[in-house]
Amino acid sequence: DIQLTQSPSFLSASVGDRVTITCRASQGISNFLAWYQQKAGKAPKLLIYAASTLQSGVPSRFSGRGSGTEFTLTIGSLQPEDFATYYCQQLNTYPLTFGGGTKVEI
Amino acid sequence: QVQLVQSGAEVKKPGASVKVSCTTSGYTFSTHAIHWVRQAPGQGLEWMGRISGYNGNRNYEQSLQGRVTMTTDTSTSTAYMELRSLKSDDTAVYYCARAPLGPYINFDYWGQGTLVTVSS
Repeated sequence: DIQLTQSPSFLSASVGDRVTITCRASQGISNFLAWYQQKAGKAPKLLIYAASTLQSGVPSRFSGRGSGTEFTLTIGSLQPEDFATYYCQQLNTYPLTFGGGTKVEI
Repeated sequence: QVQLVQSGAEVKKPGASVKVSCTTSGYTFSTHAIHWVRQAPGQGLEWMGRISGYNGNRNYEQSLQGRVTMTTDTSTSTAYMELRSLKSDDTAVYYCARAPLGPYINFDYWGQGTLVTVSS
């Protein structure tokens, strides 16, 4: 199975900060990677797919980069509604797997 | 608009089975697969498996093989996930999510989640 390692697992930040989360895959997955945001008690929400394509309706302050084994999610200017947990997911090979999550808190 | 609506919360005893439904609307069922993801309390996301809305092809997470069965009813655009021989660590919120068939999978719409509690 492909393992995804997210870092950091916890991030403390302020409104207006630029934030970057990293996701490393245990083997190459081309650009078959997605990012999700999850708030407490809610289903995850798709932010980015194909490593860098912004899902319709997602603010442009979110961006994704990477290919192969290293990927990043950047929030350009953190807004109050962005405080949540973020997950990466590889979609290259079954079983599909998720990273362990990064909780972004004030 | 696309909607995935799941069945309600369940409480089960160890060893029992649970069947969760995911009723879809707002899109053509056969153009997407339904994936199932679960989340234990305070934990991360775990992919369980998927079933194609086109031909019923399935892929299951190996650790659940033999205990999980995913099915669809194309007449009602509904997907089902049955988990048998329940254990306490199957206590989780279970989500269904749709993903387009084809090379670029992404889970663009999710159900609201179904809490399954396994307790004696």
